[in-house]
Amino acid sequence: GQQLNQSPQSMFIQEGEDVSMNCTSSSIFNTWLWYKQDPGEGPVLLIALYKAGELTSNGRLTAQFGITRKDSFLNISASIPSDVGIYFCAGQLLTGGGNKLTFGTGTQLKVEL
Amino acid sequence: DGGITQSPKYLFRKEGQNVTLSCEQNLNHDAMYWYRQDPGQGLRLIYYSQIVNDFQKGDIAEGYSVSREKKESFPLTVTSAQKNPTAFYLCASSILGTSKSYEQYFGPGTRLTVT
Repeated sequence: GQQLNQSPQSMFIQEGEDVSMNCTSSSIFNTWLWYKQDPGEGPVLLIALYKAGELTSNGRLTAQFGITRKDSFLNISASIPSDVGIYFCAGQLLTGGGNKLTFGTGTQLKVEL
Repeated sequence: DGGITQSPKYLFRKEGQNVTLSCEQNLNHDAMYWYRQDPGQGLRLIYYSQIVNDFQKGDIAEGYSVSREKKESFPLTVTSAQKNPTAFYLCASSILGTSKSYEQYFGPGTRLTVT
């Protein structure tokens, strides 16, 4: 099955910095989702995006559905230690995906105090 | 509290034994999913079910089996035919027929180790 290209693969940042990560594909997606996974736990849904160009916030997190429908972006402002974890993007393909999601390979975020 | 439960959290088995992982949800969701996660990789779909007594293979179904006898339950059996069963297994569910059909909610996972 197809996987989404997620970058960067890992990030090591200072507390208080802003963070940006993205997810790209050669295919067109109907829906984009962003999840966060803590070590040894299941992913938690952060933000869901349903329209091209849509910009949605959840506290310090902001995500955008790319205009081309082939990418999505997640920004975290003023990072704090509890932001540590792996962030996954997931998308629902415009054609052929059914209700299934395609997942990115994840961005591991580490925050230095 | 509504949610998805997976048990046990950790499971150890000898090679050649079948093992069944439990997944229960009380969210009244229609669809349920099983994923496998290996270090450094994204989630890969094993099986999914959109209705009781019906399920479909995902991308890596070989060596696995499922059943959906109740809406709330979707157990996964890892058979001895699965060549590399050691992994973190995640169950998820979603509601169907709404604008939020693609939002999948995950359980806490079961880490299976086969030696």
